[in-house]
Amino acid sequence: AQRVTQPEKLLSVFKGAPVELKCNYSYSGSPELFWYVQYSRQRLQLLLRHISRESIKGFTADLNKGETSFHLKKPFAQEEDSAMYYCALSDYNFGNEKLTFGTGTRLTIIP
Amino acid sequence: ETGVTQSPTHLIKTRGQQVTLRCSSQSGHNTVSWYQQALGQGPQFIFQYYREEENGRGNFPPRFSGLQFPNYSSELNVNALELDDSALYLCASSYQTQLRIQYFGAGTRLSVL
Repeated sequence: AQRVTQPEKLLSVFKGAPVELKCNYSYSGSPELFWYVQYSRQRLQLLLRHISRESIKGFTADLNKGETSFHLKKPFAQEEDSAMYYCALSDYNFGNEKLTFGTGTRLTIIP
Repeated sequence: ETGVTQSPTHLIKTRGQQVTLRCSSQSGHNTVSWYQQALGQGPQFIFQYYREEENGRGNFPPRFSGLQFPNYSSELNVNALELDDSALYLCASSYQTQLRIQYFGAGTRLSVL
């Protein structure tokens, strides 16, 4: 069975400092990994997905199959980055899409 | 383009009752997934509907059931409510050929007393 682990429930970082939110997964097939974000009083929304290999709002994430990790990084934190971040794994089987989420990390940027 | 809408936003029920939650998909989307998010946890997959049929189910008992209508809107029904059913219920819609991109509603907060 697939599993997503986010070891930090809370993370506080000073503005301008680098940010790294950790995500590890277990999955027997070829995973597709995502980061979803929930800003205060907003709905859950997709931040980025590993196959896109793009940077969104300065965030990047690299899939490391050897370490089964998909850590989210940003070189310089901004106050508007404060939010709840969820790592998720896609289990696509016969046209059925299922997302398995981690427990989330609440990121607080200290001004 | 309208987003995913869910109703009601909040609901209070007592143990043993039944509840129906509703979801309208984002325009153009034909697939709906439901998730349960308990306090302090990530969303957990309940089931998915495509073309009005259940298209995959998570580890939830049969008292959790759903429907999808021809206009792709959906309902989540929970019978014989238990205290542990208290959670935020999220609906997400997607287009079948782009399943990996799911768009979430704001959720329905269910409290079971």
